[in-house]
Amino acid sequence: NAGVTQTPKFQVLKTGQSMTLQCAQDMNHEYMSWYRQDPGMGLRLIHYSVGAGITDQGEVPNGYNVSRSTTEDFPLRLLSAAPSQTSVYFCASRLDRGDYSPLHFGNGTRLTVT
Amino acid sequence: RKEVEQDPGPFNVPEGATVAFNCTYSNSASQSFFWYRQDCRKEPKLLMSVYSSGNEDGRFTAQLNRASQYISLLIRDSKLSDSATYLCVAGRSAGNMLTFGGGTRLMVKP
Repeated sequence: NAGVTQTPKFQVLKTGQSMTLQCAQDMNHEYMSWYRQDPGMGLRLIHYSVGAGITDQGEVPNGYNVSRSTTEDFPLRLLSAAPSQTSVYFCASRLDRGDYSPLHFGNGTRLTVT
Repeated sequence: RKEVEQDPGPFNVPEGATVAFNCTYSNSASQSFFWYRQDCRKEPKLLMSVYSSGNEDGRFTAQLNRASQYISLLIRDSKLSDSATYLCVAGRSAGNMLTFGGGTRLMVKP
């Protein structure tokens, strides 16, 4: 049981490039989400999904797209990378939206945009 | 004002000490509460869920005070391995968004 798997672990992009951060979970979780973590800002929600075919915006969605074609996968796309998107990105899933359903995190992707 | 606030610390304590962190939340509709632990350059890991009646897991005790809108984490008999950042999380009932506090850094010294 791998849990939540994120790839890549590290990535360097030039301004304007696009890329996709991959996230997969094998726990049959309904809910998946992407957070970014920056010093002094804590973890901020980018996008989330409550099931296949359903996505919605979080607190800081600008510059990012997501899709959820299967229960297992929730990729995050950076359309045109900017230095402000330099951050650590975490994918997280939870079984459902129940009050006592905690988030399970992937190992993170460290992204640098130059 | 941030929706979930924590004292960033650091809290420097000797081994064996008892230390407590508080976390305040501003949304009175919050129903889900958790404490996570995050080691440097690692992902957050669930420490414990916080139940209305409070709960204990070994040396760790979590409490919820709805009237004053805060949750607390008490760590007894601190170990060097407890050194980490502790994140509190609040979310609305059956909600889509769990909001994290900025974290409290704990450093346990020998």
